[in-house]
Amino acid sequence: NAGVTQTPKFQVLKTGQSMTLQCAQDMNHEYMSWYRQDPGMGLRLIHYSVGAGITDQGEVPNGYNVSRSTTEDFPLRLLSAAPSQTSVYFCASSTEFRTSAEQFFGPGTRLTVL
Amino acid sequence: SQKIEQNSEALNIQEGKTATLTCNYTNYSPAYLQWYRQDPGRGPVFLLLIRENEKEKRKERLKVTFDTTLKQSLFHITASQPADSATYLCALYGGSQGNLIFGKGTKLSVKP
Repeated sequence: NAGVTQTPKFQVLKTGQSMTLQCAQDMNHEYMSWYRQDPGMGLRLIHYSVGAGITDQGEVPNGYNVSRSTTEDFPLRLLSAAPSQTSVYFCASSTEFRTSAEQFFGPGTRLTVL
Repeated sequence: SQKIEQNSEALNIQEGKTATLTCNYTNYSPAYLQWYRQDPGRGPVFLLLIRENEKEKRKERLKVTFDTTLKQSLFHITASQPADSATYLCALYGGSQGNLIFGKGTKLSVKP
């Protein structure tokens, strides 16, 4: 099992550009989520999905879109990048939502917006 | 307001000693609390879960306690090794979506 994979590992964007951060998992997990991690802020939930076709906003959703067409994939879209979106982004998956289930994290994407 | 705090940003200890990391929370009533390890440039990795009705949980050299009265969890690494150097995160379910909320982490450095 590859677990949770993310691409790209690094990305530099200019303000206003768009891009998609890819996330895939091969563990057949229903629950997937996106976090951003900033110095001194900890991990913050952006969007999450409890299954294919179902997504919802987390605590910091503004400026990001998601979709979940398959169980395996959960891409995160930045429609018009802003410097405030410079961060490290982590995708995570687990077997269930709002339970004791452990989260499996991907290796992260380090995004810089100039 | 709701808060989850890990009291120390950094903790430096000597190899062989016991490292103790603290996680305090305010205005949550979590049924579970989790601990994760994060190495530089990598995603967090799950270590241990402790439930509200468990006082203590052990896994090899790791021990976690959970005191719902004090609203605190302690994470211990006994006989610490330089390979234990990492950032350790505590997390509990309590966000606005019922999601997992993470502390900011404590960076542990174990010196040989």
